[in-house]
Amino acid sequence: DAGVIQSPRHEVTEMGQEVTLRCKPISGHDYLFWYRQTMMRGLELLIYFNNNVPIDDSGMPEDRFSAKMPNASFSTLKIQPSEPRDSAVYFCASSRQGARSPLHFGNGTRLTVT
Amino acid sequence: SQQGEEDPQALSIQEGENATMNCSYKTSINNLQWYRQNSGRGLVHLILIRSNEREKHSGRLRVTLDTSKKSSSLLITASRAADTASYFCATDASDSSYKLIFGSGTRLLVRP
Repeated sequence: DAGVIQSPRHEVTEMGQEVTLRCKPISGHDYLFWYRQTMMRGLELLIYFNNNVPIDDSGMPEDRFSAKMPNASFSTLKIQPSEPRDSAVYFCASSRQGARSPLHFGNGTRLTVT
Repeated sequence: SQQGEEDPQALSIQEGENATMNCSYKTSINNLQWYRQNSGRGLVHLILIRSNEREKHSGRLRVTLDTSKKSSSLLITASRAADTASYFCATDASDSSYKLIFGSGTRLLVRP
């Protein structure tokens, strides 16, 4: 079991550019979560999927953010256009039964927008 | 919005001592989970305790849950320098039992 895999580990981009973060969940996990972590706001839930379907995106900060899960083994989080305030660590996590079971986290993508 | 709040925000202890971290939450829950995060890494699940359970153990970890007070505690016994990390409690959200909301965390430093 390779765990949840996120790429890239680090991303530095200029304001206005498009950023795409990628996640491969653990095989057999039906739930996938995207979180954002900052010093000021802590860990925020952005969106979660069940069986590849977005269930709750109420945490997505703005229309600049979008997430997709085209199949059970891949998800993307896109920011377009990026802004300096989007700088944060973005985590992907997967689980078998949502919050009713342990979440397994990737090592995150540290995004810096200059 | 955060469901759980940890206390203290930071804790510094000597190796070998016990560390206790507390978590309070606002609404009824189905379960509460504790996670550890080492610097620069993702969160690692420690223990899940269900609302009908009062205490759970895993190695040197002991978690208690008091639903009447809407609080939980994590006790690490005989701490080691390797236990230095941030610890987070998390609960299912008031509007969905499938999404997990994290508290602000406790930063634990174990001095060798």
